Amino acid sequence: GENVGLHLPTLSVQEGDNSIINCAYSNSASDYFIWYKQESGKGPQFIIDIRSNMDKRQGQRVTVLLNKTVKHLSLQIAATQPGDSAVYFCAESPKEYGNKLVFGAGTILRVKS
Amino acid sequence: SAVISQKPSRDICQRGTSLTIQCQVDSQVTMMFWYRQQPGQSLTLIATANQGSEATYESGFVIDKFPISRPNLTFSTLTVSNMSPEDSSIYLCSAGPQKGNTIYFGEGSWLTVV
Repeated sequence: GENVGLHLPTLSVQEGDNSIINCAYSNSASDYFIWYKQESGKGPQFIIDIRSNMDKRQGQRVTVLLNKTVKHLSLQIAATQPGDSAVYFCAESPKEYGNKLVFGAGTILRVKS
Repeated sequence: SAVISQKPSRDICQRGTSLTIQCQVDSQVTMMFWYRQQPGQSLTLIATANQGSEATYESGFVIDKFPISRPNLTFSTLTVSNMSPEDSSIYLCSAGPQKGNTIYFGEGSWLTVV
């Protein structure tokens, strides 16, 4: 698919292992963060979000951690499955931008069976 | 969540022509945006589609090249004008109910310019 590629870092994990995808964001004024999953041939799919007044949020099999001190965001996927293979993007929303999102470069997650 | 439909989903376009992409949301939303995603890359915001007024464009994008309409709270169009092969990209519509809430995306319109 068009998203697999030449320009994005890749994380390869064994099925059943936990995955950690990292993201460094740029704007200390950002107060809202979202992780998206993009499968080949599809649009970005919302996974989980977190606001700047929190440092951790959990969903189903996913956890987002926010470290505002070093402007770092991570997505943890527990018990990674083949269906988790996709490109993962973090996005930040600086307070002055309203709902506009600034996207990170993206990470390809490949799950080996 | 909002369900966002885009048309066309794919197209192959001749150099120099223009194509209009439609975006329909299943509920009224305050915020609508258009993004571009070039092959193998991340998403870049083109503009914010404002209901009843001119769109707000990001640096590097201009109205003559990417005219946008937003006649109501559920619909928007993006036109890619006078296309060149460099315009070959995925164009994505996104929407959110109000400021500070989750932004959802359509499936994208995959344009190839030949």
